[in-house]
Amino acid sequence: LAKTTQPISMDSYEGQEVNITCSHNNIATNDYITWYQQFPSQGPRFIIQGYKTKVTNEVASLFIPADRKSSTLSLPRVSLSDTAVYYCLVAFNQAGTALIFGKGTTLSVSS
Amino acid sequence: GAVVSQHPSRVICKSGTSVKIECRSLDFQATTMFWYRQFPKKSLMLMATSNEGSKATYEQGVEKDKFLINHASLTLSTLTVTSAHPEDSSFYICSAAQQGPGEKLFFGSGTQLSVL
Repeated sequence: LAKTTQPISMDSYEGQEVNITCSHNNIATNDYITWYQQFPSQGPRFIIQGYKTKVTNEVASLFIPADRKSSTLSLPRVSLSDTAVYYCLVAFNQAGTALIFGKGTTLSVSS
Repeated sequence: GAVVSQHPSRVICKSGTSVKIECRSLDFQATTMFWYRQFPKKSLMLMATSNEGSKATYEQGVEKDKFLINHASLTLSTLTVTSAHPEDSSFYICSAAQQGPGEKLFFGSGTQLSVL
């Protein structure tokens, strides 16, 4: 499984755009990149998944360069409720593959 | 997104007793479910992979006789902590795999186990 590296923490203010970058230098051809959000005492929540280029949904965008060795989660106009831990995971697209969590990025949003 | 229900959300038990935690995928079938454990301010640690109709696969260092996993149907997996001790106190989280172009995991809300 590809190892991921993220910043341990980030700080932002309400209304700003936040970009969290994850490096995964040994990503394999069949690996997908998935981001999760976790609040204290809750299970992680799926945010977005992508394979290449750009993916956008109602809450975030995911940018993946051509070499796929990194990815950037973009959260537009964050609010206080976006304060959470964000995990980047890379997993082989095969049934039954467990996701191994890294340390994640703790995002703190202030007013 | 898909919904995974986990119960109970919180349980307090006496040392030596057993506790069962249920994990259900409500709107999709999950051949594979996973059980994680999380300590305060730490990341999730994979405990075991639960496959419907077969024995679970445990990660190194996880005692299979203490953490019994049953995946009897495509929508239900259970984790039983047997003869619980205070060191088993932790936050337990289940997840179910939804197949697609890229496999996605959807997580339960977690169970906070406190063993007195």
